[in-house]
Amino acid sequence: EAGVTQSPTHLIKTRGQQATLRCSPISGHTSVYWYQQALGLGLQFLLWYDEGEERNRGNFPPRFSGRQFPNYSSELNVNALELEDSALYLCASSSTGGPSYEQYFGPGTRLTVT
Amino acid sequence: RKEVEQDPGPFNVPEGATVAFNCTYSNSASQSFFWYRQDCRKEPKLLMSVYSSGNEDGRFTAQLNRASQYISLLIRDSKLSDSATYLCVVNFYTGGFKTIFGAGTRLFVKA
Repeated sequence: EAGVTQSPTHLIKTRGQQATLRCSPISGHTSVYWYQQALGLGLQFLLWYDEGEERNRGNFPPRFSGRQFPNYSSELNVNALELEDSALYLCASSSTGGPSYEQYFGPGTRLTVT
Repeated sequence: RKEVEQDPGPFNVPEGATVAFNCTYSNSASQSFFWYRQDCRKEPKLLMSVYSSGNEDGRFTAQLNRASQYISLLIRDSKLSDSATYLCVVNFYTGGFKTIFGAGTRLFVKA
């Protein structure tokens, strides 16, 4: 069974640009979560989508947004990039029910903002 | 006070040793708990869920103490391959589910 996939693996952008990151959950999973892990820091919760709707978001500014498509894949958009947005962005999925269920992570997208 | 706290370590142990990590949480309404391991520059991988009655998976034992608000992970007969960062995860509901990862405990197992 295929795991969570993310694309691209690496992304280099300049300050002020927009970045789009993509995630495909494990087949049968309807919940998708996004996390940010800056170098040397812990995972910070960004967004949770379930059944196409945003269910919760972490303490991040509105320029971090996303959506979930009918096939449950998801996109994270970061507008007006800042240098401190440089981090590993991890996507995870779980079966219906949300965070009480085990989350499985993709390999991440490493975003570098110069 | 942080919502989820872990001793960052590092814990340096010889092969074959038993090592235990604790993770404390502040929200008494916390509902589900997990342990993950994360290797350097890799994604976290689920190690085990933590159940109220405690649970064991091979050399790994997880326990939950709701009264004192902590979870623990015990690793017996440590292997070199156990070297990693161990992350605890706490989920609780406050008008919406919130998932908090601990900052992780670093473990080095040496030959």
